[in-house]
Amino acid sequence: NAGVMQNPRHLVRRRGQEARLRCSPMKGHSHVYWYRQLPEEGLKFMVYLQKENIIDESGMPKERFSAEFPKEGPSILRIQQVVRGDSAAYFCASSPTTGYTGELFFGEGSRLTVL
Amino acid sequence: GEDVEQSLFLSVREGDSSVINCTYTDSSSTYLYWYKQEPGAGLQLLTYIFSNMDMKQDQRLTVLLNKKDKHLSLRIADTQTGDSAIYFCAERHNAGNMLTFGGGTRLMVKP
Repeated sequence: NAGVMQNPRHLVRRRGQEARLRCSPMKGHSHVYWYRQLPEEGLKFMVYLQKENIIDESGMPKERFSAEFPKEGPSILRIQQVVRGDSAAYFCASSPTTGYTGELFFGEGSRLTVL
Repeated sequence: GEDVEQSLFLSVREGDSSVINCTYTDSSSTYLYWYKQEPGAGLQLLTYIFSNMDMKQDQRLTVLLNKKDKHLSLRIADTQTGDSAIYFCAERHNAGNMLTFGGGTRLMVKP
C-alpha cells in the first residue's frame, strides 16, 4: 500500500516561471491537504481539498497560488510567476473520510527553489 | 486564535531522557499529535492522544496532556542518536480536519 506520493521531489524555477507540484493520496483516502514549510520554520496550512472541491483555502495566498483535486488524477498545487519567497518545501498529506483518529499521512515533500 | 508553541532546540546525551514541550491555545482541540521529521524527509506520525486522556505510553514514548494548562509533552526514554530530528506537535480542532502545527523542536542527541 503505497504512501502519499509527491513529485517532483525537487524543482528549480527562475523568477516569473510557473511551478506545478503533484500529489497522489494514499489509496482509499479522499482528503488532501497542502502545507508549506519555509526554511527553519514549521508547517503552515495552505489548503484542504476533497475530490473536485476546495473545502478550506484559508491559508492560500490570494494571488498566484491555486490548487485542485480533480475527479481523476493527482492533486495539483500551482504557483504562477514564482518569486524567491516561494522557495520552500511543500508537503501534501491525505486522510480517509471517517473512522480514524484524525492524523494526516504526509508525503516526502516537494522542495522548490526559485533562482 | 489558534497557536501552537514549542521551544526551538533541545540537546541531550545518548541514554538520557528527552522531554519536548508544547503549548496550544484552542480548548476545542480533540486530538493532539507528535510528528517526527528527519532531514530532507516528510513528517512521520509518532503518537497521538485524545483530549479526554492525560497520559499515553507507547514503548519509549510517553505523552502527557494537561488540558487545564493546554500543555502537551513528549518524553523519549533512553534517547538514541537515531532520535535526532525535528519534532512537531499538532492539534486537531473540533470544527475541521486540518491540523495546526507548532514550529518544531530540533532534538540533538550527543553520543
